[in-house]
Amino acid sequence: DTGVSQDPRHKITKRGQNVTFRCDPISEHNRLYWYRQTLGQGPEFLTYFQNEAQLEKSRLLSDRFSAERPKGSFSTLEIQRTEQGDSAMYLCASSSTLHRDRYTGELFFGEGSRLTVL
Amino acid sequence: AQKVTQAQTEISVVEKEDVTLDCVYETRDTTYYLFWYKQPPSGELVFLIRRNSFDEQNEISGRYSWNFQKSTSSFNFTITASQVVDSAVYFCALSATGNQFYFGTGTSLTVIP
Repeated sequence: DTGVSQDPRHKITKRGQNVTFRCDPISEHNRLYWYRQTLGQGPEFLTYFQNEAQLEKSRLLSDRFSAERPKGSFSTLEIQRTEQGDSAMYLCASSSTLHRDRYTGELFFGEGSRLTVL
Repeated sequence: AQKVTQAQTEISVVEKEDVTLDCVYETRDTTYYLFWYKQPPSGELVFLIRRNSFDEQNEISGRYSWNFQKSTSSFNFTITASQVVDSAVYFCALSATGNQFYFGTGTSLTVIP
C-alpha cells in the first residue's frame, strides 16, 4: 500500500525565488491537507481539498501561496517570491471520508518537504 | 476558537519507567475529536488514537493508554514500561469539524537505555 509521497524532500532556494512542492496522496483518499511545521512547533493548518475543490484556507496562507489539486489526485503548493520566514517543513496529509461508518479522522502524513530560504 | 496546550516541552525517562504526556484543550464546540500523533526522528507523523467528545471511556492499547476527562479538558497519554523506540515527539490534536486539525506544540520524549 503506497503512502503519501512528497517531492522534493529538501529544497534550498534564494529569497525571491518561486518554489513548488508536489504531494501524491493515498490513491483512494478524497481529502488532502497541507500543513506547515517550524522547528519546535506543531503542524499548522494551511489548506485542504475535498477532491479538486479547495474548501478551506488558513489566514497563514498569504497571497504568495497557492495550492491546487486539479484532478482530485495529486496536489501542488507553490510559494512565490519566497521569504526567509517561509523556511519550514511543508507537510501533506490525506484522509478518506467516503465510508462514514469507518471514518476514524486519521490523517496519513507524508515525510514532508523541507524548505530553506537563504 | 480551538487550542491545544502541551505544557511539557521535553521529558526524559529511563527505559521501563512509565511516563504520562499531558494535553489540555480548549473549544466551544460540544462535538469534537481529540487525537495523538507520534513523530519519530524520521519525521513522518503517525496516528495513534482518536477519541470523540461524547465518549469519555479510557482506552488501553498494549503499553499505551489514554485518559480523557471533559471536566478538566484533558486528554493525557501514558506509556507504560517505556522503550527506546518510544523516543519521539508526541502531538495532541483537536478537530471540531474534521476539516481543520489543531495541533499542540508537542512533547519530545527521550527514553534512555
